[in-house]
Amino acid sequence: DAKTTQPPSMDCAEGRAANLPCNHSTISGNEYVYWYRQIHSQGPQYIIHGLKNNETNEMASLIITEDRKSSTLILPHATLRDTAVYYCIVRVNSGYSTLTFGKGTMLLVSP
Amino acid sequence: GAGVSQSPSNKVTEKGKDVELRCDPISGHTALYWYRQSLGQGLEFLIYFQGNSAPDKSGLPSDRFSAERTGGSVSTLTIQRTQQEDSAVYLCASSLAPLGGLGIQEKLFFGSGTQLSVL
Repeated sequence: DAKTTQPPSMDCAEGRAANLPCNHSTISGNEYVYWYRQIHSQGPQYIIHGLKNNETNEMASLIITEDRKSSTLILPHATLRDTAVYYCIVRVNSGYSTLTFGKGTMLLVSP
Repeated sequence: GAGVSQSPSNKVTEKGKDVELRCDPISGHTALYWYRQSLGQGLEFLIYFQGNSAPDKSGLPSDRFSAERTGGSVSTLTIQRTQQEDSAVYLCASSLAPLGGLGIQEKLFFGSGTQLSVL
């Protein structure tokens, strides 16, 4: 899997948008960008994934730059329950490969 | 079941003892994965099952670690002669199909893990 770079921590006020960046400058054309999050004492939870188009679901939006070298996960209205470690992962879309988790970004949502 | 179930949720053992950790994946999920997470660290891949076979064991840290899966469902991770460095949270995940497909099969569903403490 291509290496990703994320800030170790971020803060966000409750009700505001949380924008979590991820750099993946060595991404290949057939690699997807995945986001998972891990709330304290729980297993990771899938959030969203995309290839090159922006994606939105009930949890978040994923914005991928045109050159695909970076992406941003957007939580439009962060709540206290969104406090978690957020992992950005890049992996190929064909053939078997595991999900390789890095250190992620610790997002702290405060009242 | 409704989600991935792991047991026990906590296990305290003495150095040198063997332990077995169990994972019940979501019904119908053919792919099963074991990860471990040491305190303050990221997730470390251990082993992947497709059905009852394990095509990728590359993450097992030593020959003290083994895993099996029976009936394409329940999996057991066994650690023999436990050491203090084995202390970690052991996480199991399942997916509808092996990673490498497209779309919804790409989601991994994780259990809450087993906290293993080796004294």
